[in-house]
Amino acid sequence: RKEVEQDPGPFNVPEGATVAFNCTYSNSASQSFFWYRQDCRKEPKLLMSVYSSGNEDGRFTAQLNRASQYISLLIRDSKLSDSATYLCVVRFDDMRFGAGTRLTVKP
Amino acid sequence: EPEVTQTPSHQVTQMGQEVILRCVPISNHLYFYWYRQILGQKVEFLVSFYNNEISEKSEIFDDQFSVERPDGSNFTLKIRSTKLEDSAMYFCASAPGQGAYEQYFGPGTRLTVT
Repeated sequence: RKEVEQDPGPFNVPEGATVAFNCTYSNSASQSFFWYRQDCRKEPKLLMSVYSSGNEDGRFTAQLNRASQYISLLIRDSKLSDSATYLCVVRFDDMRFGAGTRLTVKP
Repeated sequence: EPEVTQTPSHQVTQMGQEVILRCVPISNHLYFYWYRQILGQKVEFLVSFYNNEISEKSEIFDDQFSVERPDGSNFTLKIRSTKLEDSAMYFCASAPGQGAYEQYFGPGTRLTVT
């Protein structure tokens, strides 16, 4: 079983759409959770950390369900500039990355 | 805004050669990391470094790999005898702390082994 599993997509959505990404992880002792964003051939950049109570940053909402070992990211009112690959990252001793979900937002 | 820098941006080497990839982490950060990403695949953890020693390493980080912080600013990854399968993007990252602290990634070095 993969340590961090994501739907690879691609997700092709129109501007203004709401899109949700899911992620599951296998290590129940994982301690920290993140969503990173990676543009083509660029480095990963932190989008947001994910807290147990759920958290929101503008148009982005992250949720964590420790019992189900599940993390989600919701993007509302998507913009063209949101087009990227979204990486689910889980930390136990080290950081484990999912393979990413590719999002393309179209005009 | 402070950033992690890496040199070179692209390195081409022949199989069996040694390469050194260089990174300058953010100056007040204490934790340093190397990752690699083979084209089209996920980012993979290689090694973490704290207080001048390796704190964690993955199964990828075998005897062909070594890391060093030779002075107060540089953090290097050495591959002793490169193989074709070492071709990848190598990212350096640094963080002020562990756990929930954000890791800041450098722009990467693309290593091509021919």
